[in-house]
Amino acid sequence: AQKVTQAQTEISVVEKEDVTLDCVYETRDTTYYLFWYKQPPSGELVFLIRRNSFDEQNEISGRYSWNFQKSTSSFNFTITASQVVDSAVYFCALIAQGGSEKLVFGKGTKLTVNP
Amino acid sequence: DTAVSQTPKYLVTQMGNDKSIKCEQNLGHDTMYWYKQDSKKFLKIMFSYNNKELIINETVPNRFSPKSPDKAHLNLHINSLELGDSAVYFCASSQDRQNSPLHFGNGTRLTVT
Repeated sequence: AQKVTQAQTEISVVEKEDVTLDCVYETRDTTYYLFWYKQPPSGELVFLIRRNSFDEQNEISGRYSWNFQKSTSSFNFTITASQVVDSAVYFCALIAQGGSEKLVFGKGTKLTVNP
Repeated sequence: DTAVSQTPKYLVTQMGNDKSIKCEQNLGHDTMYWYKQDSKKFLKIMFSYNNKELIINETVPNRFSPKSPDKAHLNLHINSLELGDSAVYFCASSQDRQNSPLHFGNGTRLTVT
């Protein structure tokens, strides 16, 4: 069975601070895909990134970066120089190739960036 | 231009009623989904269709019945609504059933009184 744990329920930072959102996953499959989604206060769910299990390269996109470490089964998300517009609930998710074809979501981390 | 559109955005109804939520995607995707997000923001898959064929049916009460008339549409009908059905329901689509990112609709907030 697949499982995603986002231990941080809520994080509050001040604008311009860096913040890291943790994601730990469990799967027995060797081929799997990890995702991050953002849900701003307006409610829509926005895809941010997909990473497959064979690609451990870190990814950077503007102020966003992702650190994938198979050794610790983690796929952490860092926002550099946070902005108020980054305030949202962020979800980490996992789908395993040999699994049930279900995308399993973590419970989400609510990030509040204060001005 | 909307990629995945679902209607209505808000749905307020009384216990015991029957209601439907419609979903359409214009992305040419093969797979469509219904997810339920509860009051604690937890997202859980309910159903998945691939080319009109049901491929995932989670432990969902029989009162919930999805219907896919074609691969661009996946509707959700709910019979005999209960208070516990109150949630936000998201429709989504993906290019295939394996590992493509999901594109979500804006959600339907269902309130059962």
